[in-house]
Amino acid sequence: GAGVSQSPSNKVTEKGKDVELRCDPISGHTALYWYRQSLGQGLEFLIYFQGNSAPDKSGLPSDRFSAERTGGSVSTLTIQRTQQEDSAVYLCASSLSGRARTQYFGPGTRLTVL
Amino acid sequence: AQRVTQPEKLLSVFKGAPVELKCNYSYSGSPELFWYVQYSRQRLQLLLRHISRESIKGFTADLNKGETSFHLKKPFAQEEDSAMYYCALETSGSRLTFGEGTQLTVNP
Repeated sequence: GAGVSQSPSNKVTEKGKDVELRCDPISGHTALYWYRQSLGQGLEFLIYFQGNSAPDKSGLPSDRFSAERTGGSVSTLTIQRTQQEDSAVYLCASSLSGRARTQYFGPGTRLTVL
Repeated sequence: AQRVTQPEKLLSVFKGAPVELKCNYSYSGSPELFWYVQYSRQRLQLLLRHISRESIKGFTADLNKGETSFHLKKPFAQEEDSAMYYCALETSGSRLTFGEGTQLTVNP
């Protein structure tokens, strides 16, 4: 079946602009995660959704970052007033609920802020 | 606070040689540990998890709670094992805390 998909695959924006990144999880996966992969920082957790609610937003680096999930499926990560330090690959993953579940990752969105 | 440490950023071995990728963790709860792998131009994927006690592609990893380690081992490395390997710790809410990764190169 289809895996996790993300769009766009690449996004180049100017400093100060807002961007939206989209994630389509595997059908039936109730848990959804956003991570960020950047040089020097490795893979960082951003936010976790269980269904449409986000019980763990602790990884969001600032209030410029927000995310939502609708219908227990698609999620959008929004970055407002982008800064150069936001440049990274943003990864989405989904899984079934419960402990020690395999997280299935999307291909990522490479964000470049000029 | 939880932390995962992979001390080697780069590791290079010859084909057929044993390989060990080190991972140490700190976590006050009961750890669930994973190894994820990213091959060139592919997405990040699960290699193995300690709860399954499985061997995947010849790799094994044993959780040592006394030493807080979860090292990844393979007795005979193959060229197709060349990839970036991440050790990950599952904490509250199933979020993963990743180590910084080890780039493994297996030379012919």
